[in-house]
Parts: sequence; structure tokens; C-alpha cells
Amino acid sequence: GQQVMQIPQYQHVQEGEDFTTYCNSSTTLSNIQWYKQRPGGHPVFLIQLVKSGEVKKQKRLTFQFGEAKKNSSLHITATQTTDVGTYFCVGSGGSNYKLTFGKGTLLTVNP
Amino acid sequence: EPEVTQTPSHQVTQMGQEVILRCVPISNHLYFYWYRQILGQKVEFLVSFYNNEISEKSEIFDDQFSVERPDGSNFTLKIRSTKLEDSAMYFCASRTSGNYEQYFGPGTRLTVT
Repeated sequence: GQQVMQIPQYQHVQEGEDFTTYCNSSTTLSNIQWYKQRPGGHPVFLIQLVKSGEVKKQKRLTFQFGEAKKNSSLHITATQTTDVGTYFCVGSGGSNYKLTFGKGTLLTVNP
Repeated sequence: EPEVTQTPSHQVTQMGQEVILRCVPISNHLYFYWYRQILGQKVEFLVSFYNNEISEKSEIFDDQFSVERPDGSNFTLKIRSTKLEDSAMYFCASRTSGNYEQYFGPGTRLTVT
């Protein structure tokens, strides 16, 4: 798996505010996946990005993959309390596509 | 929607005891994984399994660990002689071929006392 660095480690917002988390890799990524883990829960797959410059949207979530395939971002518009959790950008690689998780970004939302 | 299931949800065991954690992956999936997450820490890869054999394992996965697919549906993780530091949440995951997305089970919380 590919190791990526993610910032910020923590983010606290008021409900309705926007939120962005960023991932960076020193090496080119073949693909990047985003997972969300609610407190006390298990990682849940959100999206996979494969193409250079790719942008994908899921309702209020916008995912981007950089042109050089070395960075990615997740933007949430108008956060809700249901958005609370840790968001992971995850590199996968090797023939077995094992996932290498970083520390993620813990998002808390004040209602 | 199909999902990965894991049993038990919580296992308490004494140090030195053997434990078996069980997983039922999604039925048409071919690749299986175990991860663990120590409380407050990141999710760590333990082992991947394909075609009835281990395809990759991490340095955490030492001789005390083993995996098995005893039948067409179950996928188990055995810890032969548990240590205090094995206390963690253990997640099973599975995926189909040609698809990177992994589906995680709800996890088994292992507490070693």
C-alpha cells in the first residue's frame, strides 16, 4: 500500500460550515480511496479515484484527485451532525490491494 | 445489501489463551483481509488471503496468528496465545476481483486481561 499524509488531523466546525481534508503523497498513486469511520464503527468505503484530475461528487461531498496523482482532497459542503467521524484517504497497492491507512482527519460538528 | 458479518462482537480472554475470531465475507468475494485497530490508533493491515492461501502478511502477523477458510463461507483469525497488546478491534474485509473497494465487517473487540 501507499503511504499518504493527511491534514488536518482534527477539525471542529459549526453545523453548516464547509470542511476540507487534504492528502499528499511523495510518490505517484495508482489510485486513492476514501473511507469514513464513525466513532465506534468500522471503515466504510466512500469513493475511489483513479484518473488524473478526476472529480467525483456524492451529494454534499466532492472528491478530487490531483493532476499528478500525488494528492487528493475531500470537501464537504454545509456539514451536518451526521458527517461526524474520521475520514481516511487510503492508498492501496501491490497485487493484493491491501489498504494502508494513515491517521485520518477526525471531524466533529457542533449543532 | 450484502454485508460482511463478524462474531463475536466482543471477546474477553485471559492472557495466554487461544481465541478464534470469525468472519463471513460477502458471498461472491474472493479476496479477504484482516485489519486491527488498537483503541485510538489507526487501522493496521494484518493479512490478506486469496485462493485458500495467505497472499501477504504484515510484520504484526507473527507465528501466533493464523487464518483459515474452513468452508465456503467462513474466514477465521486465530491467535494462539494472546498477549495484553493484542487487545484491539479486529476488522475483517473482503472484495471482489477487479475492484479495489473493500467492505469491512463491524469488527470484534478483543480484550485480553
